[in-house]
Amino acid sequence: DAKTTQPTSMDCAEGRAANLPCNHSTISGNEYVYWYRQIHSQGPQYIIHGLKNNETNEMASLIITEDRKSSTLILPHATLRDTAVYYCIVRAIQGAQKLVFGQGTRLTINP
Amino acid sequence: KAGVTQTPRYLIKTRGQQVTLSCSPISGHRSVSWYQQTPGQGLQFLFEYFSETQRNKGNFPGRFSGRQFSNSRSEMNVSTLELGDSALYLCASSLELAGGWYQETQYFGPGTRLLVL
Repeated sequence: DAKTTQPTSMDCAEGRAANLPCNHSTISGNEYVYWYRQIHSQGPQYIIHGLKNNETNEMASLIITEDRKSSTLILPHATLRDTAVYYCIVRAIQGAQKLVFGQGTRLTINP
Repeated sequence: KAGVTQTPRYLIKTRGQQVTLSCSPISGHRSVSWYQQTPGQGLQFLFEYFSETQRNKGNFPGRFSGRQFSNSRSEMNVSTLELGDSALYLCASSLELAGGWYQETQYFGPGTRLLVL
């Protein structure tokens, strides 16, 4: 079972920041938070990951709370092409390569 | 650098047949994982290969099998196809420099969409 909880769907206006929350209250100290997105019928696209510090790359920012029990993915200036299902995944630093996907958040960017 | 490639992109088969799907990882990547995505079950892990060995396996019947070649390319095979095997099959690769158990980011291919009639 997935170790994360995400809202089923969200809407955001084009040009605004999209903030996608994720709860991972049972996360342990040796687990990362990963974010992927999947645009309709394509393969999942890696966005960003973090352990305990906030992270930023050219696609997004990841804010992880101090207790690490939740995080927020921020798309600073959403475009129509950001419409997708976003998956928040918790995975161990060590161990077998395996991603456990939940249902994700369906983000719709509206013009 | 080219991404993960999967062939074929689309496939139609009939029940009882078998099918082989191919995956070429990102150049230099040594680990290949396979996932199945269906509307009902979502994205589920099938198995992972590293250095031509299966390291991890998901909860799928023995009809699902795979292998990895010395150049890290991988194939998965489904025998005796059932209607429920209709799905998007995704391959992901990761670097695994040290060949150890440190998790590295997986990058996905576009998938092969299989329809079983």
